Amino acid sequence: DAGVTQSPTHLIKTRGQHVTLRCSPISGHKSVSWYQQVLGQGPQFIFQYYEKEERGRGNFPDRFSARQFPNYSSELNVNALLLGDSALYLCASSSGQPAGEQYFGPGTRLTVT
Amino acid sequence: LAKTTQPISMDSYEGQEVNITCSHNNIATNDYITWYQQFPSQGPRFIIQGYKTKVTNEVASLFIPADRKSSTLSLPRVSLSDTAVYYCLVGYIKAAGNKLTFGGGTRVLVKP
Repeated sequence: DAGVTQSPTHLIKTRGQHVTLRCSPISGHKSVSWYQQVLGQGPQFIFQYYEKEERGRGNFPDRFSARQFPNYSSELNVNALLLGDSALYLCASSSGQPAGEQYFGPGTRLTVT
Repeated sequence: LAKTTQPISMDSYEGQEVNITCSHNNIATNDYITWYQQFPSQGPRFIIQGYKTKVTNEVASLFIPADRKSSTLSLPRVSLSDTAVYYCLVGYIKAAGNKLTFGGGTRVLVKP
């Protein structure tokens, strides 16, 4: 079975630009969560979506938004990029059942210059 | 959300057993304890999960005392490839919301 896939793998943007990151969950998983991981720190929760609805939001500004599509894939959008947005962005899928394991994708490395 | 405390780093040698203890004093009744492994520039990988007592799988064991205020991840006979960051998470994932918080993790270095 294919695992969680993310695209693109790497991305370089300049300050003020907009970026869209994509994630495809494991087949059968209806929940997708997004995390930001700055170098040297643990992943920080950004959003969770389940059945196309936002079910959780971390402490991130409104420049960050996301959505989930009918096929359960998801997009993370970041507007007005700042240098501090440079990070590894991780997508994780789960079944949505309590204590369900999260399966992480390889991440998208975003560099803002 | 339950806060976790784990050592920043640990060194070990090939073939030894590595035990990482995580403190989670304010764990809630519905919370599970989950451990992830992460290599540089990769997504975290699920290792093991438990609610109480002891859980064992093909790669690790998880020991949880009766009060559930701590847990210990045990990696038997580590190899160089086990050098990674290990995260202890307390909470749960379900349709109603993501209640998981990653801490700083424990950086394990396995030496030859």
